Amino acid sequence: ETGVTQSPTHLIKTRGQQVTLRCSSQSGHNTVSWYQQALGQGPQFIFQYYREEENGRGNFPPRFSGLQFPNYSSELNVNALELDDSALYLCASSLDGFYEQYFGPGTRLTVT
Amino acid sequence: KQEVTQIPAALSVPEGENLVLNCSFTDSAIYNLQWFRQDPGKGLTSLLLIQSSQREQTSGRLNASLDKSSGRSTLYIAASQPGDSATYLCAVPSGNTGKLIFGQGTTLQVKP
Repeated sequence: ETGVTQSPTHLIKTRGQQVTLRCSSQSGHNTVSWYQQALGQGPQFIFQYYREEENGRGNFPPRFSGLQFPNYSSELNVNALELDDSALYLCASSLDGFYEQYFGPGTRLTVT
Repeated sequence: KQEVTQIPAALSVPEGENLVLNCSFTDSAIYNLQWFRQDPGKGLTSLLLIQSSQREQTSGRLNASLDKSSGRSTLYIAASQPGDSATYLCAVPSGNTGKLIFGQGTTLQVKP
């Protein structure tokens, strides 16, 4: 059984640029949730994808968008990067969203 | 609106001590609660998931309890070791997506 994987591990971008982060869900899981974790804080929910449809969104602006593919892997896209977008981005997969969630290792994004 | 609080924010203990981490939540209508461990700059590792119908869940030296009526959970770590040093987060699912609401975490340091 393959766990949740994320790529890249680290990323440095300039303010105003765009970034795409990737997540492969655990085998058998159909739901992927994305979270942003600022330094010293608990993770904050960005949005969730269930069977390729967005299924809920947190308090994040529209420049945060995503996709889920037929194999249930997912992408998080952030446009017009701001300095405050610097954070650890975590994805979690689960079966149907309500059961135990399994997290990937995260992508550390630094915006300069 | 569900809010999750963890006390204390930081804890430093000598090796071998038994310790208790606390988690409280404002809305008792939860169907499970998860405890996670996070090493610096890394993703989240699920430690224990307690279903709403359970009072306790054990894994090795870890024991988590849940009291829905009082909105509290505790994570008990027996015979602490330096390798237990990490941040411990609790989270509850919320809304119709099962998105996780996290506490701020308790950062534990176990000194040899």
